[in-house]
Amino acid sequence: AQSVTQLGSHVSVSEGALVLLRCNYSSSVPPYLFWYVQYPNQGLQLLLKYTTGATLVKGINGFEAEFKKSETSFHLTKPSAHMSDAAEYFCAGRVSNDYKLSFGAGTTVTVRA
Amino acid sequence: KAGVTQTPRYLIKTRGQQVTLSCSPISGHRSVSWYQQTPGQGLQFLFEYFSETQRNKGNFPGRFSGRQFSNSRSEMNVSTLELGDSALYLCASSLEGAKETQYFGPGTRLLVL
Repeated sequence: AQSVTQLGSHVSVSEGALVLLRCNYSSSVPPYLFWYVQYPNQGLQLLLKYTTGATLVKGINGFEAEFKKSETSFHLTKPSAHMSDAAEYFCAGRVSNDYKLSFGAGTTVTVRA
Repeated sequence: KAGVTQTPRYLIKTRGQQVTLSCSPISGHRSVSWYQQTPGQGLQFLFEYFSETQRNKGNFPGRFSGRQFSNSRSEMNVSTLELGDSALYLCASSLEGAKETQYFGPGTRLLVL
């Protein structure tokens, strides 16, 4: 079945350290992939997206992600974590012929001072 | 440009009641999708509307229904509420020319007692 999978439900990093969130997908069509962030009691905010073209995608707040077709991955990174990055992050994708998004289970990021 | 708005933000209902949630998309967006978010099941697609027609539907019982008006505003209704319907209900809108990219509202938190 077509799906999006996030590896690791919780990631803890020190302030200033690299943030790496992992996402893999299975798709029957050329995928469109997204990362969203959710702060407590809020909706989802779009961080970045890959549709076509450049495989390294830059988003807001210093995040970027790289689409690797050979590895069916779309991992999210940020070189230096900030306390304000503490939130839940969702990888999502259009991985089938319809346009509904499939979501990963989410990864909660905590940032240690 | 104003974002996606959802009303009400919070609701408390009792089992057996029905509830109607409202979503106003970003101006110019004609596609509206609804998602249910729970700790156990994560984010699950409910349905999508475009031009007042349901275009996609997820795997939810018939108690969950929706509609879209000519101004693209959408409502979803849940009848005969069950405890398990307690969730954050998120609405997302998109442009028809880029319908894979969805922008989310803040959600409606429904608690069923």
